[in-house]
Amino acid sequence: TQLLEQSPQFLSIQEGENLTVYCNSSSVFSSLQWYRQEPGEGPVLLVTVVTGGEVKKLKRLTFQFGDARKDSSLHITAAQPGDTGLYLCAGHIKRGFQKLVFGTGTRLLVSP
Amino acid sequence: EAGVAQSPRYKIIEKRQSVAFWCNPISGHATLYWYQQILGQGPKLLIQFQNNGVVDDSQLPKDRFSAERLKGVDSTLKIQPAKLEDSAVYLCASSTYGTQPQHFGDGTRLSIL
Repeated sequence: TQLLEQSPQFLSIQEGENLTVYCNSSSVFSSLQWYRQEPGEGPVLLVTVVTGGEVKKLKRLTFQFGDARKDSSLHITAAQPGDTGLYLCAGHIKRGFQKLVFGTGTRLLVSP
Repeated sequence: EAGVAQSPRYKIIEKRQSVAFWCNPISGHATLYWYQQILGQGPKLLIQFQNNGVVDDSQLPKDRFSAERLKGVDSTLKIQPAKLEDSAVYLCASSTYGTQPQHFGDGTRLSIL
């Protein structure tokens, strides 16, 4: 059972365009993280959001945690080829211990 | 600080053979994770250790997969016998403790022929 669904699965855009990636679930998460993964490497943490409704900005990237802590979005402004990669959301759920569950992933390709 | 080290980077075996992966976490990190990432998907947690004890192995196929973390530092993940559907990247990650950010190694890409 996949707890976190990401959309779109794949996105191909031109440099300078804006985009939004969505991460949705029916489960409530104590916190949610976004990672970026490049080919041949492990995921690298971009941000952690903890509070419902929280918005965090990282240069051209804006992350939002839903009010009910069930969903999140990642918005990239003026995408660049260096933004190309696999974007993964991951939520912490508590089942006696904290467990991190990853989303299905969104593969982004930004062409010059 | 040195990152999470994994070896080998690549492994090709035939089905029904056995294979082992090794992980050395960041020094001082008590929590160690093994994930399976099938091509195009997000990582799936196989097993989580806190020091040398298992916290969660609910998604580990225990009939063929085993893992240990001797002395609460290095860890090995073994598959015996391998099946075609085990073809994936096996990622190791570590954190200071359960809710802190996880640091990932670059993974071992396993191909089953």
